Amino acid sequence: SYALTQPPSVSVAPGQTAKITCVENNIGSKSVHWYQRKPGQAPVLVVSEDTDQPSGIPERFSGSNSGNTATLTIRRVEAGDEADYFCQVWESSSGNPWVFGGGTKLTVL
Amino acid sequence: QVQLQESGPGLVKPSETLSLTCVVSGGSISGYYWSWIRQPPGKGLEWVGYVYYTGATNYSPSLKSRLTISLDTSKKEMSLRLRSVTAADTAVYYCARIRGVLDPFDFWGQGTLVTVSS
Repeated sequence: SYALTQPPSVSVAPGQTAKITCVENNIGSKSVHWYQRKPGQAPVLVVSEDTDQPSGIPERFSGSNSGNTATLTIRRVEAGDEADYFCQVWESSSGNPWVFGGGTKLTVL
Repeated sequence: QVQLQESGPGLVKPSETLSLTCVVSGGSISGYYWSWIRQPPGKGLEWVGYVYYTGATNYSPSLKSRLTISLDTSKKEMSLRLRSVTAADTAVYYCARIRGVLDPFDFWGQGTLVTVSS
């Protein structure tokens, strides 16, 4: 089990909106980062500090964080968005300072 | 553009030492934490440990007794040595850069698969 819970898979048709959740008790009090990883490639930061888009990331990628759930939203999904997505936080009370979600495989139908 | 590249043997025998190197190009070593992160097959990502640019280190409690991470600033290389490996250490190992504890990992390597098997 992981400190951060993500659905193993999400499927969406092209042009639709994908939402990937990351659940932890009181995650809204933490800063959540989201990464995209395609097979054989280095992970890429797509959303930082809950809602910020790094330079070069399409505006279709956005994030939110409140209560027990952080959400990565991908609007107007494209075939090229098919990848694994995982969330990450800093856990000040944990022996491991950085904790990751289990990852979500986004499939574009 | 900062690039990180991991390298090392793809196969290590049980009880032996796993050694990996991460070469940093296109950016400075200074001011950053340089981390190893791994993902065992079918499991999620797990932070392994870091070396700060000053040489200070911090390791995952579950690996601390077997792990050494070091930084050669002149070569811009980070190294990992994990002793007495078992099949549970089989994973894709990534190196990644982070500026501060609340910051994201802004650059990652592609990862290298290490299999522990006789």
